[in-house]
Amino acid sequence: KQEVTQIPAALSVPEGENLVLNCSFTDSAIYNLQWFRQDPGKGLTSLLLIQSSQREQTSGRLNASLDKSSGRSTLYIAASQPGDSATYLCAVHYGNNRLAFGKGNQVVVIP
Amino acid sequence: NAGVTQTPKFQVLKTGQSMTLQCAQDMNHEYMSWYRQDPGMGLRLIHYSVGAGITDQGEVPNGYNVSRSTTEDFPLRLLSAAPSQTSVYFCASSYSLNTEAFFGQGTRLTVV
Repeated sequence: KQEVTQIPAALSVPEGENLVLNCSFTDSAIYNLQWFRQDPGKGLTSLLLIQSSQREQTSGRLNASLDKSSGRSTLYIAASQPGDSATYLCAVHYGNNRLAFGKGNQVVVIP
Repeated sequence: NAGVTQTPKFQVLKTGQSMTLQCAQDMNHEYMSWYRQDPGMGLRLIHYSVGAGITDQGEVPNGYNVSRSTTEDFPLRLLSAAPSQTSVYFCASSYSLNTEAFFGQGTRLTVV
């Protein structure tokens, strides 16, 4: 069974610092990996999708890397802003578009 | 495009009642799925569908039924609600195999 772990569970950073969020998974036989953002009481917003053949994907201030062999992905958010405060979820696609999720990194950016 | 639309947004049920959570997408997506999100447990897959007429069980299917008669709709039925089914339910869809998943805004269900 695919297990996905996100560390740390929660973190606070001052505005302007770079954020580094880690995701690890136990089975390297994944199709791709997707990062989501979830605001309190809201749905999931897709941030980045990294195909299994890719090493990284970038969108604006966000950069996600993927190392399948070691079962790790990292989401970098440059120059954090208070609006980046949210929970970030990592999910691996393991066939037929089924997703296995981590429990999330809860981020607070302090002004 | 409205994306993935879930109704209702909130629902309170009594133990033993039945209900259907609705999910519709207008993006012509083949793949659809249902997840539940519980504190400390993360999101877990309930049922999924790879196209109209084809469904399969996920990680936590007990107490739930699904069917997919059209590409657009994927309703989730609770046959006899139990307090353990109190959760937030999310529907997701993807265009094709191994593509980006899009989620609805969720249905918050309380069973008393």
